[in-house]
Amino acid sequence: AQTVTQSQPEMSVQEAETVTLSCTYDTSESDYYLFWYKQPPSRQMILVIRQEAYKQQNATENRFSVNFQKAAKSFSLKISDSQLGDAAMYFCAYRRRNAGGTSYGKLTFGQGTILTVHP
Amino acid sequence: DAGVTQSPTHLIKTRGQQVTLRCSPKSGHDTVSWYQQALGQGPQFIFQYYEEEERQRGNFPDRFSGHQFPNYSSELNVNALLLGDSALYLCASSFGVIRLGQFFGPGTRLTVL
Repeated sequence: AQTVTQSQPEMSVQEAETVTLSCTYDTSESDYYLFWYKQPPSRQMILVIRQEAYKQQNATENRFSVNFQKAAKSFSLKISDSQLGDAAMYFCAYRRRNAGGTSYGKLTFGQGTILTVHP
Repeated sequence: DAGVTQSPTHLIKTRGQQVTLRCSPKSGHDTVSWYQQALGQGPQFIFQYYEEEERQRGNFPDRFSGHQFPNYSSELNVNALLLGDSALYLCASSFGVIRLGQFFGPGTRLTVL
């Protein structure tokens, strides 16, 4: 069974600075997807960034980027120029890639990291 | 374009009762997944529906059941409620190649007294 581990229960950062959230996972699969989700106090889970395991290039979405190390099974999220609105619980998630890329299949989440942004 | 919607927002039940939660997927999405999120924890996968059939199920007892309708909306039913069923229940929808990710609704907060 796949597992996802986030070893940092809480992190904090000053506004405008950079923070990195860690995630490791365990799988015997070679093809999969990895995601970072953000869950603010409003509870709505928002997709931040995704990475396909067969792509060597690290994904980037504006101020958010990942460091994907497939051999080490590591998938960290870097937030640059942190903003007050970035404060939330962040979840790392894994999903096996089905044959044919079909849409069904569960997400396996880590325990989450609470990010606090100080003004 | 409406996102994923869930109803009700909050629900209070007593032990032994039954509850039904509802989810409408994002427009154009055909797959619905349900997750249970205990306070301060990551979501746990309950099951997933595609083409009106349960395609995959997590480690949840048979008290948890679901249904998907022809319009792709879905229901989650929980029978014989236990105190431990108190949680945020999240619905997520997706379509096609999953690399686009699953899009989540705001959740239903269930409290069992």
